[in-house]
Amino acid sequence: GAVVSQHPSRVICKSGTSVKIECRSLDFQATTMFWYRQFPKQSLMLMATSNEGSKATYEQGVEKDKFLINHASLTLSTLTVTSAHPEDSSFYICSASSRQNTEAFFGQGTRLTVV
Amino acid sequence: AQSVSQHNHHVILSEAASLELGCNYSYGGTVNLFWYVQYPGQHLQLLLKYFSGDPLVKGIKGFEAEFIKSKFSFNLRKPSVQWSDTAEYFCAVNAAQAGTALIFGKGTTLSVSS
Repeated sequence: GAVVSQHPSRVICKSGTSVKIECRSLDFQATTMFWYRQFPKQSLMLMATSNEGSKATYEQGVEKDKFLINHASLTLSTLTVTSAHPEDSSFYICSASSRQNTEAFFGQGTRLTVV
Repeated sequence: AQSVSQHNHHVILSEAASLELGCNYSYGGTVNLFWYVQYPGQHLQLLLKYFSGDPLVKGIKGFEAEFIKSKFSFNLRKPSVQWSDTAEYFCAVNAAQAGTALIFGKGTTLSVSS
């Protein structure tokens, strides 16, 4: 299957700072990328969908000014958690799909801890 | 909008027991169906997927799932579980067209005792 790389795998930041998470498709062109959030012992909740070159579409209840998503190229999408607070601590996972593929491939996830 | 329902929140089995985890989805169109596993402290791994064709699909590690369209179900099965199958299992669905997100069920925790 296709490879999606997410970086960093773990990050600890201070409250009030911003954190950027990268999601890269290594061997295919990701026309669409998805960002999920997973709380401990819970399922993955879709946060937003981004198409290359377009603004992301956010799910209801997700603050677009807090979770900035950029999908400027066919191989890279970034999620920036702005002015992070402890309640933003979570596991963030990206996935990517191409025009030719209805399956999405997942990154390894990023464990964010805000202290 | 799509939704996925996993009936079992926590399943506890002894080794060699048979496993069946229920999954039902709600969507009016053609779907792709997936089962993922997440071992403690690890990321998601794809167990198996159904796009079309034979409704009985076989995945890795001896798992299989059967798509029953009339019941909107995609139950996961394994004839004989092992201790190493202890993990969280997620059923997921997306519309069968490019660029659609996977929607996940709440997950089922499987605990296998040796």
